[in-house]
This record gives sequence, structure tokens and C-alpha cells, in this order.
Amino acid sequence: GESVGLHLPTLSVQEGDNSIINCAYSNSASDYFIWYKQESGKGPQFIIDIRSNMDKRQGQRVTVLLNKTVKHLSLQIAATQPGDSAVYFCAEVTGGFKTIFGAGTRLFVKA
Amino acid sequence: EAEVAQSPRYKITEKSQAVAFWCDPISGHATLYWYRQILGQGPELLVQFQDESVVDDSQLPKDRFSAERLKGVDSTLKIQPAELGDSAMYLCASSFGGLGEKLFFGSGTQLSVL
Repeated sequence: GESVGLHLPTLSVQEGDNSIINCAYSNSASDYFIWYKQESGKGPQFIIDIRSNMDKRQGQRVTVLLNKTVKHLSLQIAATQPGDSAVYFCAEVTGGFKTIFGAGTRLFVKA
Repeated sequence: EAEVAQSPRYKITEKSQAVAFWCDPISGHATLYWYRQILGQGPELLVQFQDESVVDDSQLPKDRFSAERLKGVDSTLKIQPAELGDSAMYLCASSFGGLGEKLFFGSGTQLSVL
């Protein structure tokens, strides 16, 4: 069935290094993908999105890559900071309106 | 910056009791969502409203859960009777149009059923 999954449940990086969080999706008909960041005790917060007609999109310190051939999504965070410590979710939108979340990856940033 | 408001922030109840959660979306957002998030997992959609109409409630346990958005603005999610397995974070989100858009989440209601 439809599912969005992550390869690594926990990622630990040194402050200042780049972080890469990966995500696999199974519904080839999904046309919109979003990365959310969730800090402890808060709701998920939008980071960056990408449409299926694109393969790369950049924001401030973040880049999302989409590989439709292998149904893979990644979030790259440049110069990771302690404030980046959180759980990161990828989500796919199917049927034009239904958002399905993956299980999440916890990012630890070591000072 | 406009935010999605939710209350209460925390709720502790005993099983078989009734509980209710309230959500006020960002002004002008037509679409409202209720998600349930179990610790260590991603949010799971319970119900989605477009204005006052239900768009998707396929994952809502209708024998005990109900949701309404009578005037197409704020919304209430109710559980009656609560069960131990209902302990989770209940998140409300809204979006402007609802069709493939990013969601804005509230801080959630943490429910503990004893």
C-alpha cells in the first residue's frame, strides 16, 4: 500500500557538518513532497517542498532532492547547527489532497 | 505570525470518560485537519474538512470519535468513551486551499488515558 519511509531513524552529526536525511516513498503517482521539522512538544513545521516536475529545490541552508526513478527523497542541511536538532518527517501528497507522513528521523547535533 | 490555536495543551482522563479538543485554524484557511501522533511515529490523518464539509474521515474510528466544524472555522474533536490506546498527541493543522499544499500545525493536545 501507500507508504513513506525513512532509511535511518536516528542521525548524529557534528555541529558545522552537513546533514543528509533520506526518505523512500512507494506511490509513484504522488506529485508533491514536503519536509517538516518537529521540535519537542511542538507540532511539525514546514521546511521545504518540491513538486514532482522538479528534481532539486534549494532554500536557506536546506536542499531537497527528488529522484523519481528510484522513488527517493532527501533533505540536505548545510552547516548543521544545534537548533537543527529535531525529528524530521518527509510527507507525500497523494490524490491531490491527502498528506501521508513517514515515521521520521531524529537528528542530533553534537556541539 | 498567525498560528493554529489548540486547547487544552494537556489532558488527563480515565478510560470510559469523554474528552474534547478544540482547534482554531489560521484565519482564511479553508481546510482543517486532525492528526493523531503516537510517540515515535509520524502523524496519522483522522479527518479532513474543506470548509464545513468532511473530505476524508476514512481513518476516524467512528464508533468513538467524532469531529465537527459547524461554521467552517473552528473545530472540535471528541472521543467518547476514551480507551487506553487513545493516549497520543492530537494535532490540528490548516491550509489555505487544501489541495496539495503545505500544512500549518498547532502545538497539539497531549492526551493521557489512565
